[in-house]
Amino acid sequence: AQKVTQAQTEISVVEKEDVTLDCVYETRDTTYYLFWYKQPPSGELVFLIRRNSFDEQNEISGRYSWNFQKSTSSFNFTITASQVVDSAVYFCALSEAPRGSARQLTFGSGTQLTVLP
Amino acid sequence: EPEVTQTPSHQVTQMGQEVILRCVPISNHLYFYWYRQILGQKVEFLVSFYNNEISEKSEIFDDQFSVERPDGSNFTLKIRSTKLEDSAMYFCASRGGQGITYEQYFGPGTRLTVT
Repeated sequence: AQKVTQAQTEISVVEKEDVTLDCVYETRDTTYYLFWYKQPPSGELVFLIRRNSFDEQNEISGRYSWNFQKSTSSFNFTITASQVVDSAVYFCALSEAPRGSARQLTFGSGTQLTVLP
Repeated sequence: EPEVTQTPSHQVTQMGQEVILRCVPISNHLYFYWYRQILGQKVEFLVSFYNNEISEKSEIFDDQFSVERPDGSNFTLKIRSTKLEDSAMYFCASRGGQGITYEQYFGPGTRLTVT
């Protein structure tokens, strides 16, 4: 069975600080996909990034970066120089992919990030 | 940019009533999903739909729930006899398919309130 754990329930930082959101996952499949979604106060779920289990390259997109480590089953998300608009709930999610076709998402419980001005 | 749309944005219903939540997935997508999020909790998978049939469903998706793709564009979730515990945000999502895209794009959600 697949499981995603986001141990940090709430994080509060001051604007311009860097912040890392942790995500640990469990799966028995060798092929899977990992995702991060952002849920701002308005409630929608915004896709941020997808990583494949066979691609451990870290990724940077502007102020966002992701660190995928299979050895520790972690997929952490760092926001550099945080801004007030980054305040949201961030969800990590896992999709197993038997025969290469990704299945439903299993979400973590989310981390509420508050960036104070 | 194409997006998933959902109607209504908010639905209030009395316990025992039937509700239908509507979704229009992204037009060239092949896989469709419903998820729900009880207030303050995690997002939970309900059902996935591919090639005009349910491909997977969770324990939450019992006989009170059904899904349908009545035409080439809409994807609906019906709850036959709502219970108080069905109150939640319901999200529709769609995905392109193998070799196309693996990420699911979500609609803005329908907030269902059962009184």
